[in-house]
Amino acid sequence: EAGVVQSPRYKIIEKKQPVAFWCNPISGHNTLYWYRQNLGQGPELLIRYENEEAVDDSQLPKDRFSAERLKGVDSTLKIQPAELGDSAVYLCASSLDMTSNEQFFGPGTRLTVL
Amino acid sequence: AQRVTQPEKLLSVFKGAPVELKCNYSYSGSPELFWYVQYSRQRLQLLLRHISRESIKGFTADLNKGETSFHLKKPFAQEEDSAMYYCASYSGAGSYQLTFGKGTKLSVIP
Repeated sequence: EAGVVQSPRYKIIEKKQPVAFWCNPISGHNTLYWYRQNLGQGPELLIRYENEEAVDDSQLPKDRFSAERLKGVDSTLKIQPAELGDSAVYLCASSLDMTSNEQFFGPGTRLTVL
Repeated sequence: AQRVTQPEKLLSVFKGAPVELKCNYSYSGSPELFWYVQYSRQRLQLLLRHISRESIKGFTADLNKGETSFHLKKPFAQEEDSAMYYCASYSGAGSYQLTFGKGTKLSVIP
């Protein structure tokens, strides 16, 4: 079992460019989370999915961020256009369901916006 | 909003010395609290949760509702304990949103 898979691991883009991150959760995990971790901070939730439904996206900056989990398995997080302040590590996590109190994290994607 | 406070960014101890990583939370109800750990070049992973009342790798954490604390302790630090430690809490009834502290970097000196 590879655990939660994320790609790419690193991404460098210029501001105003679009960027997308991909996540494949652990097989059988219904709940998927996207977090953003700024330097020196803990992870902050951006969006949570129960199967294909986004049930908590209150922290997602909807003017430039979007996410989807069309078949309730893989998920994509997109930023368009990226800003300098978006530089961070984007973490994906999954759990069996929303009541499961253990989340399994992926390795993250480190985004640098120049 | 739920807050989790870890007052120390960095904690250095000698091998064999006791360790205490501090965590305070703001939720006034019945919180669910966790410690996550990230070793160098590894992914974030759950270390322990308060409802299990377990000891993992020699670490324990006791929930103190009076002091709203959930400090992580180990009587004798080992070099392999060097890592980033994050305290986390569920925000409240039905929310299932995990709120993390800023983390404490533990460095165990040989």
